[in-house]
Amino acid sequence: DSGVTQTPKHLITATGQRVTLRCSPRSGDLSVYWYQQSLDQGLQFLIQYYNGEERAKGNILERFSAQQFPDLHSELNLSSLELGDSALYFCASSVAGASTGELFFGEGSRLTVL
Amino acid sequence: DQQVKQNSPSLSVQEGRISILNCDYTNSMFDYFLWYKKYPAEGPTFLISISSIKDKNEDGRFTVFLNKSAKHLSLHIVPSQPGDSAVYFCAARVNNQGGKLIFGQGTELSVKP
Repeated sequence: DSGVTQTPKHLITATGQRVTLRCSPRSGDLSVYWYQQSLDQGLQFLIQYYNGEERAKGNILERFSAQQFPDLHSELNLSSLELGDSALYFCASSVAGASTGELFFGEGSRLTVL
Repeated sequence: DQQVKQNSPSLSVQEGRISILNCDYTNSMFDYFLWYKKYPAEGPTFLISISSIKDKNEDGRFTVFLNKSAKHLSLHIVPSQPGDSAVYFCAARVNNQGGKLIFGQGTELSVKP
């Protein structure tokens, strides 16, 4: 158990809809990262928050947005969903300035868009 | 552009033998390299890391080698066990960019009894 909690674990929805994925980081971790893993692909970095502020942005679509709340949990909002958005979405957290670079991952949220 | 590449999608090894997983990178600004292991229906789990100023790091059966001139790293697992069967991801951290990791595509290791 990494200590990172993601909900829901599975989500099935239709094209054009909007969903929200939620992540609770490990206790004490200020940084939250979101990654997308599509079929047979590596993990693609989407966005990072540090203590409520956006810190880094990857190839995140404009239809996607995220935020980190004062209690440090984070939400990833996916709107106007397309078939190609079907993927595993992982959240990870880390301590500030982790010396070895290690991120701790949740079990992921599997999104299926029909 | 793919800054971290794992060119072998899969690898099959006999139990007790050595498993060698390879990774190439293009960005000289990476300061840490990491290996993650992932079982189906689970999140990636950290395995071992190496600083860009080192060339080897060992932890039990797992050793990571870094060849900076070739921009290549490898993970050696000796001896391999059936429980090591999983997808292994190579990842790299860009210096001073908040801690995000860039991942390779993964290599699926199968260790046969």
